[in-house]
Amino acid sequence: DQQVKQNSPSLSVQEGRISILNCDYTNSMFDYFLWYKKYPAEGPTFLISISSIKDKNEDGRFTVFLNKSAKHLSLHIVPSQPGDSAVYFCAASPRDDKIIFGKGTRLHILP
Amino acid sequence: NAGVTQTPKFQVLKTGQSMTLQCAQDMNHNSMYWYRQDPGMGLRLIYYSASEGTTDKGEVPNGYNVSRLNKREFSLRLESAAPSQTSVYFCASSEGAGVRSTDTQYFGPGTRLTVL
Repeated sequence: DQQVKQNSPSLSVQEGRISILNCDYTNSMFDYFLWYKKYPAEGPTFLISISSIKDKNEDGRFTVFLNKSAKHLSLHIVPSQPGDSAVYFCAASPRDDKIIFGKGTRLHILP
Repeated sequence: NAGVTQTPKFQVLKTGQSMTLQCAQDMNHNSMYWYRQDPGMGLRLIYYSASEGTTDKGEVPNGYNVSRLNKREFSLRLESAAPSQTSVYFCASSEGAGVRSTDTQYFGPGTRLTVL
């Protein structure tokens, strides 16, 4: 049973616009959430994270929002750039435990 | 500073053959992990090593064995490969000893394995 769900397999966004990637989770014990980015033929790289005590974390063009009551988080990329085209994995973990990854969303930035 | 390296990059096996996937990190990290990624699936944890000398099963350990050879190296062995083990395998490492979700995991480039 999927504990971390990324229901959109792919997303296309115009360059310069906002990209919003969504993620839902089912396990109420999760207290740390992460986003990883993956280019073809490379390993995933860490992008941004958020603890359950926060509802927003920002790093440059990337912002993650956490809605605990809805068990939902989202990654906003503003403005979207061509180099943002990649697969984005949402991940979650209970405190000091292993990370569980979603299936990923492929983001295409259109010129 | 190469980070996490994996060998080989590609491998084709016949059903029943065995092989070992190698992973090494030069960041002096304590924890190391093996994941597999299948089409349309996320990364699933096979085994991990929270410190030198210890290994533990992850979500999908069946058909695999691991060895934490030393602090730098963590190998994954398929004793009798099956077509269901066709996948891309990623090794990762993180700084802390013991699994801590707040420790960033650094991934290698992956090994693409096909079992015929």
